[in-house]
Amino acid sequence: EPEVTQTPSHQVTQMGQEVILRCVPISNHLYFYWYRQILGQKVEFLVSFYNNEISEKSEIFDDQFSVERPDGSNFTLKIRSTKLEDSAMYFCASSANSPLHFGNGTRLTVT
Amino acid sequence: AQSVTQPDIHITVSEGASLELRCNYSYGATPYLFWYVQSPGQGLQLLLKYFSGDTLVQGIKGFEAEFKRSQSSFNLRKPSVHWSDAAEYFCAVDAEEYGNKLVFGAGTILRVKS
Repeated sequence: EPEVTQTPSHQVTQMGQEVILRCVPISNHLYFYWYRQILGQKVEFLVSFYNNEISEKSEIFDDQFSVERPDGSNFTLKIRSTKLEDSAMYFCASSANSPLHFGNGTRLTVT
Repeated sequence: AQSVTQPDIHITVSEGASLELRCNYSYGATPYLFWYVQSPGQGLQLLLKYFSGDTLVQGIKGFEAEFKRSQSSFNLRKPSVHWSDAAEYFCAVDAEEYGNKLVFGAGTILRVKS
């Protein structure tokens, strides 16, 4: 069964540094998403992406965040200047319509 | 605003016993409803979904869930739990008008004792 793959599985970065989290969605899917889960908290929606543009974003997704589909297969989340509170598990998801298929996540630790 | 409540943070059941995980949602119409499972170090795996039609839906790994409109509930059940079912379970709502933006409950951690 096709899967959403995310790399790296764990990323440690210093506060203020830029990070790029990478995702390869399922190949025939057209809708792409990022969610995050701060330790001990709910999984939260960050952003949805369709037809090469953001279709919706949450209040969390401020100017420090950006998403890109640089080629036909990858979908990336960039955090420009990381803060301690960005430490979380970040999940990429894709769908043809519904339901969402999630990757295994990238655990981001900001020190 | 849409919300999802999973009232049980932790549940412990004996292997072979039946299981019911509770989920209540707050939304004016009938949303799309999902249960996901997350094993340690793993991603979110879809167990089952409800869009419309038969209110009892079957999922993978022997799980089922029943949508009850009158109670705004979508409880997850399994008649006989296996040790490998130990994981965290998330109920989620897609209010559709928001275009596939899921709202998750806080999760229920299931422990299975032998």
